[in-house]
Amino acid sequence: EVQLLESGGGLVQPGGSLRLSCAASGFTFSNFAMSWVRQAPGKGLEWVSSITSSRGTTYYADSVKGRFTISRDNSKNTLYLQMNSLRAEDTAIYFCAKDAFDFWGQGTLVTVSP
Amino acid sequence: EIVLTQSPATLSLSPGERATLSCRASQSVNIYLTWFQQKPGQAPRLLIYDASKRATGIPARFSGSGSGTDFTLTISSLEPEDFAVYYCQQRSSWPSLTFGGGTKVEIK
Repeated sequence: EVQLLESGGGLVQPGGSLRLSCAASGFTFSNFAMSWVRQAPGKGLEWVSSITSSRGTTYYADSVKGRFTISRDNSKNTLYLQMNSLRAEDTAIYFCAKDAFDFWGQGTLVTVSP
Repeated sequence: EIVLTQSPATLSLSPGERATLSCRASQSVNIYLTWFQQKPGQAPRLLIYDASKRATGIPARFSGSGSGTDFTLTISSLEPEDFAVYYCQQRSSWPSLTFGGGTKVEIK
């Protein structure tokens, strides 16, 4: 059974940093691209970042480019999102998703507030 | 950036009725259009990919159609568990992915 479990969310002040993790199980993690998608409270879905399976090539939405870094540790079956210079508008639930978005985690809430 | 516009924003229907949801792209996305269902407090669930292919375990009452810029998600006969928010997503401009704003299907 495929499982994705996010962690690392919480309350952080504007300008602060946070690192999210997504622990994967039930599939060969190293074979699949992974992504982060976020959802602000009461709003729709926004793609944040993706990373390919093999070379680990990374891609970012313009809204987070230069501030967020996606990475993966295939030996630990874990996906990461390092978030720096956080802003109030980054407040959202952050979901990790596998490959073609066929499986999603339950999300972790990030709140950016003084 | 490819913009996806979903309509209507809200659809009020009764169980057993047919639901027709629309997703229009600002430029052609070929068939690279995906539909998701999201219930309150839950992660999105993949329903349809490549415009018309049902994902594993998705009931046959869900169907997708369209290509280019105009797409439709049809639920042939609404079950109580189908009342939710539905999002379309395009991957034509991978790696830049975009979602539509969503359509809420509510009980009339």
